[in-house]
Amino acid sequence: KAGVTQTPRYLIKTRGQQVTLSCSPISGHRSVSWYQQTPGQGLQFLFEYFSETQRNKGNFPGRFSGRQFSNSRSEMNVSTLELGDSALYLCASSLGGTKNIQYFGAGTRLSVL
Amino acid sequence: AQRVTQPEKLLSVFKGAPVELKCNYSYSGSPELFWYVQYSRQRLQLLLRHISRESIKGFTADLNKGETSFHLKKPFAQEEDSAMYYCALSRQDSNQFYFGTGTSLTVIP
Repeated sequence: KAGVTQTPRYLIKTRGQQVTLSCSPISGHRSVSWYQQTPGQGLQFLFEYFSETQRNKGNFPGRFSGRQFSNSRSEMNVSTLELGDSALYLCASSLGGTKNIQYFGAGTRLSVL
Repeated sequence: AQRVTQPEKLLSVFKGAPVELKCNYSYSGSPELFWYVQYSRQRLQLLLRHISRESIKGFTADLNKGETSFHLKKPFAQEEDSAMYYCALSRQDSNQFYFGTGTSLTVIP
């Protein structure tokens, strides 16, 4: 079974631009969660999508948004990039019930210059 | 509010010595607790979860509801245990996870 796939692996953008990250979950998984990982803050929850609906949301500004498609693939968008958005963005998929194990992708490393 | 605290950012032990990585949480309901591990150049992966009460790679963790702790222990550390360890909490009514800031474990040969 293929694991969680995130594309692209690396991105370099400049301040003010926008960026879209993609996540393909494990086949059969209906829940996709997104996290921001930084050295000082660890993993911070962005949002979770289940059956194309945002089910949970973390404490991030509205510049961070996402969506999920009918095949469970998910995209995350960050608009008006700031230097502080530089981080590793991780996607995790799970079956979708409560307390399910989350399986992580390798991440997308975003650098904002 | 939910919170997971890992007080040690860095931890070094000698090979063969016991190791304990601390994790404390705050949550008013019945949480599910997990330990995730990230080895060098690998993706984050589940190590163990309290509900299964397993021992994985010699590691165990016991949920202490009185002390709201879920410390990870191993009696004899191995070099291959060197990694970043994250404690995580999932609420009883949600698939939302809360992670600690992680502890970097180094096992000295």
